[in-house]
Amino acid sequence: QSALTQPASVSGSPGQSITISCTGTTSDVADYNYVSWYQQHPGKAPKLMIYDVTVRPSGVSNRFSGSKSGSTASLTISGLQADDEAEYYCSSYRGSSTLHVFGTGTKVTVL
Amino acid sequence: QMHLQESGPGLVKPSETLSLTCTVSGGSISSSAYYWGWIRQPPGKGLEWIGNMYYSGSTFYNPSLKSRVTISVDASQNQFSLKLRSVTAADTSVYYCGRHTIGAFDIWGQGTMVTVSS
Repeated sequence: QSALTQPASVSGSPGQSITISCTGTTSDVADYNYVSWYQQHPGKAPKLMIYDVTVRPSGVSNRFSGSKSGSTASLTISGLQADDEAEYYCSSYRGSSTLHVFGTGTKVTVL
Repeated sequence: QMHLQESGPGLVKPSETLSLTCTVSGGSISSSAYYWGWIRQPPGKGLEWIGNMYYSGSTFYNPSLKSRVTISVDASQNQFSLKLRSVTAADTSVYYCGRHTIGAFDIWGQGTMVTVSS
């Protein structure tokens, strides 16, 4: 089962905005509005940050936003803060048999 | 507030079966609104979806693991379980259980490390 493709690393200075891409196929990201994003700090369980492409769960900062164009989804973090330094994973629904696939992960570094 | 907790052996011998249980508290596993699933993460690597189940017993597995995986539910105990057969060192990972909607895993357990070694 091939993973969704993310850049290995993205960096930015405090206060800046960064965008992480997540590239899939017509079998997942392009065909379904079920893209989600997770933040994972070292040694911790992942935390849901965005679901259904653009929706923030209660309690997640509005500095995090999601979007999608074709087979590529994106997570934008605005007003970058030190605590945003973490690994970020996208995921997508992939149809009734596979159900779920994760991205390769992106390490965000706050300079 | 719902809480999920993984439990099971931290060490499994090669060729044997890995067995983990996820205990759900603060809500019912029999809710029709959710699936329940397992995800793993090898040391220093990314997340891999293992499979999901619905409270009715319907299951969905990662095609790459399907031949070795069984996920089952014990609604009376508000638990669901993972069995992974014929394990090798490549199955060494942190294993997470989670609550899943169609779109996302919205609640995760803290994870449990399982090492495959003789």
